Amino acid sequence: GESVGLHLPTLSVQEGDNSIINCAYSNSASDYFIWYKQESGKGPQFIIDIRSNMDKRQGQRVTVLLNKTVKHLSLQIAATQPGDSAVYFCADLTGNQFYFGTGTSLTVIP
Amino acid sequence: DAMVIQNPRYQVTQFGKPVTLSCSQTLNHNVMYWYQQKSSQAPKLLFHYYDKDFNNEADTPDNFQSRRPNTSFCFLDIRSPGLGDAAMYLCATSRDPGYSNQPQHFGDGTRLSIL
Repeated sequence: GESVGLHLPTLSVQEGDNSIINCAYSNSASDYFIWYKQESGKGPQFIIDIRSNMDKRQGQRVTVLLNKTVKHLSLQIAATQPGDSAVYFCADLTGNQFYFGTGTSLTVIP
Repeated sequence: DAMVIQNPRYQVTQFGKPVTLSCSQTLNHNVMYWYQQKSSQAPKLLFHYYDKDFNNEADTPDNFQSRRPNTSFCFLDIRSPGLGDAAMYLCATSRDPGYSNQPQHFGDGTRLSIL
């Protein structure tokens, strides 16, 4: 769902630790969800997606979990690296429209 | 390699002076989107084109207009920019998302400053 106007929450993790970033969506009709990574001065970059008929999907070092009951999405990053420092957004699809969640700014401490 | 290209990367205009931002794509996607992103905030959808069909978000000001002359190009026109319109403007494309469930591809944005 849309969360415009809210400033970014932040998350700091030690290099090598796992990171968990959370997102709540509001539209129960949403059937497709995406996590994006946005580095400073760049556009959002696709990380991983999940359809509403799934609860979990894994990629390389990343896992997305979907809980439709409470309309919650999470992104887990294993063995977080300095290059993972960025802002992470979830987005959900309703019809042809993608709406972004608030986002989380992740800082990895070497 | 860039598949969604936005020009220019930085644009400065004067208060009230019309400005046009451009976006082109090499992906042949049928949907193109414009988002406004202010500092430390999520991108906000302004409108999108599904082929030639224009779809405006209810809260997008009339000051913002768009044109899509062909599949590859889409323009964002700001008729009378105000100081509050200073932001990053992101263009994105996707292929029939409601049917195929595929993610958007984003350009690197145009950062607009208003003097």
